[in-house]
Amino acid sequence: GAVVSQHPSWVICKSGTSVKIECRSLDFQATTMFWYRQFPKQSLMLMATSNEGSKATYEQGVEKDKFLINHASLTLSTLTVTSAHPEDSSFYICSAADSANYGYTFGSGTRLTVV
Amino acid sequence: AQSVAQPEDQVNVAEGNPLTVKCTYSVSGNPYLFWYVQYPNRGLQFLLKYITGDNLVKGSYGFEAEFNKSQTSFHLKKPSALVSDSALYFCASDFSGGYQKVTFGTGTKLQVIP
Repeated sequence: GAVVSQHPSWVICKSGTSVKIECRSLDFQATTMFWYRQFPKQSLMLMATSNEGSKATYEQGVEKDKFLINHASLTLSTLTVTSAHPEDSSFYICSAADSANYGYTFGSGTRLTVV
Repeated sequence: AQSVAQPEDQVNVAEGNPLTVKCTYSVSGNPYLFWYVQYPNRGLQFLLKYITGDNLVKGSYGFEAEFNKSQTSFHLKKPSALVSDSALYFCASDFSGGYQKVTFGTGTKLQVIP
């Protein structure tokens, strides 16, 4: 079945630094990918939708200059958390639209801790 | 507004007993509905989906769900619960049917007691 690889699975960084998270569709082409943020014991909050070759669409309240999304190819989307602060610590999950099977395949998530 | 609701934060069931995790939706059209499971510090794993066709959908790991249009529900069920089924379950819907956006319920923690 469709597989999405998300890397890294966890990362610790210092305040003020930037962190890049990668999301790859391994065996299918994903025109559309989604980035979510999940707080402890809460549901997933959609941050943005990225379409290959175009600018991402951010949800209301999500700072596009802080959470940079790039979807340069049909198999790779990246989320860069710029100038990270402790309040950015969270679990980030990517998802890719699998048009062949009508569904969404999720990455395994990235635990970001900013110290 | 279109939404998905999971009325129970937690469901406890004894191992071997049938389990039900509830989901209702509110939409003005025909929703595409999904169930996902999440284990601690992991992404979401797909269980099953309803797009069209038979109202009873069978999915992974022995789970099934019934689409009930009159009650606007899509409850997840399994005839005999396993301890390994203990996890966080999310109901979700792609109301647009066009990969525009997936709306998630708040999640239900399933605890299967040995």
